[in-house]
Amino acid sequence: QVQLQESDPGLVKPSETLSLTCTVFGSSINSGYYWGWIRQTPGTGLEWIANIFHSGTSYYNPSLKSRVIISIDTSKNQFSLKLNSVSVADTAVYYCARGRQASGYDSWGQGTLVTVSS
Amino acid sequence: EIVMTQSPATLSVSPGERVTLSCRASQSVSSSLAWYQQKPGQAPRLLIYDASTRATGLPARFSGSGSGTDFTLTISSLQSEDFAVYYCQQYNKWQTFGQGTKVEIK
Repeated sequence: QVQLQESDPGLVKPSETLSLTCTVFGSSINSGYYWGWIRQTPGTGLEWIANIFHSGTSYYNPSLKSRVIISIDTSKNQFSLKLNSVSVADTAVYYCARGRQASGYDSWGQGTLVTVSS
Repeated sequence: EIVMTQSPATLSVSPGERVTLSCRASQSVSSSLAWYQQKPGQAPRLLIYDASTRATGLPARFSGSGSGTDFTLTISSLQSEDFAVYYCQQYNKWQTFGQGTKVEIK
């Protein structure tokens, strides 16, 4: 059974870079799935951030693209997210998830609350 | 950006009732639509993909329908464990989620 676990950066200061890593257990990241980041706030609901395939092919939410980098490390079965120049508006629960082409996200991490505050 | 609009925002129902949730896309997403269920403190759970395909292990009381811009999630007989927030998601062009429908106990 696949499990995904997000790292816990906790508190990030405004203008700094938020870094998250998702470790995948029970499923090879080097497979036919894609791997994504989604965040959730009470105000804006669920927001897709980015996806990446094991090949390194990546896709970004156009509204966040200028500030986001997603990467994958197949040797560690991990993928990561960097969001730079954060502001209070980036405070959210961040989820990593596994998806398949044309079928949504079938496995999710538990989520990690990231707070942007000075 | 494709905007997903769900209605109603909140639905008050009694156990055993039939529930119909609506999701409308601002432009056609073909059948590239998924439904998720989320309970407090938990991650979303995939219920339906490709508009009408049930995820593995999903009870048959859940069904999805629609294509293009109008979609429906139906729960034929609401069970106590079904009280939750339901989200739709399109993945036809990038990905966007609806704002959710909360199904609460009447």
